[in-house]
Amino acid sequence: DAKTTQPPSMDCAEGRAANLPCNHSTISGNEYVYWYRQIHSQGPQYIIHGLKNNETNEMASLIITEDRKSSTLILPHATLRDTAVYYCIVSSSSGYALNFGKGTSLLVTP
Amino acid sequence: GAVVSQHPSWVICKSGTSVKIECRSLDFQATTMFWYRQFPKQSLMLMATSNEGSKATYEQGVEKDKFLINHASLTLSTLTVTSAHPEDSSFYICSARERRGNTGELFFGEGSRLTVL
Repeated sequence: DAKTTQPPSMDCAEGRAANLPCNHSTISGNEYVYWYRQIHSQGPQYIIHGLKNNETNEMASLIITEDRKSSTLILPHATLRDTAVYYCIVSSSSGYALNFGKGTSLLVTP
Repeated sequence: GAVVSQHPSWVICKSGTSVKIECRSLDFQATTMFWYRQFPKQSLMLMATSNEGSKATYEQGVEKDKFLINHASLTLSTLTVTSAHPEDSSFYICSARERRGNTGELFFGEGSRLTVL
């Protein structure tokens, strides 16, 4: 699976959009981009995933660049409960387990 | 979304004893489940892949005789930490995907925190 690079930490004001970047320059054609988050002492929570088109669900939007070498997770209106570590993971369609990197620790402040 | 449940959520045991952690898929059948371990301030590390009706596949460096995995049904996988020692204290997390080859989300349990005294 391709490696991802994320900033170690980010801050965001409550109510503002949180834009979390992820670089995956070695992604191959059959690899998906997955985003998970982990709130302290809990299991990871699925957020969203995509192949090449932008995706949106009730939690977030995923913007994937045309060359697929990077993506951005957007939380449109961050709340204090969005404070968590966010993981960007790239995995092939034939793979089963997901390999977690260090992620981005997002702190949402009042 | 689908629900994966772990039990117990936390356990304290004495050194040398064995501890069993259960992972259940509550509303779907999981032919494959995954076990992760997470030490404080670190990311999740994949330990093993549990396949229903067959032997588990362990990641490099994970002792199969110490971390026994049983996946006897399509909704239950168990991880037994045998002869636990303080260095085995960690957060153990299981996960499952609904169907083989499904590229959808991987669902995670709430995690089980093991403390070995």
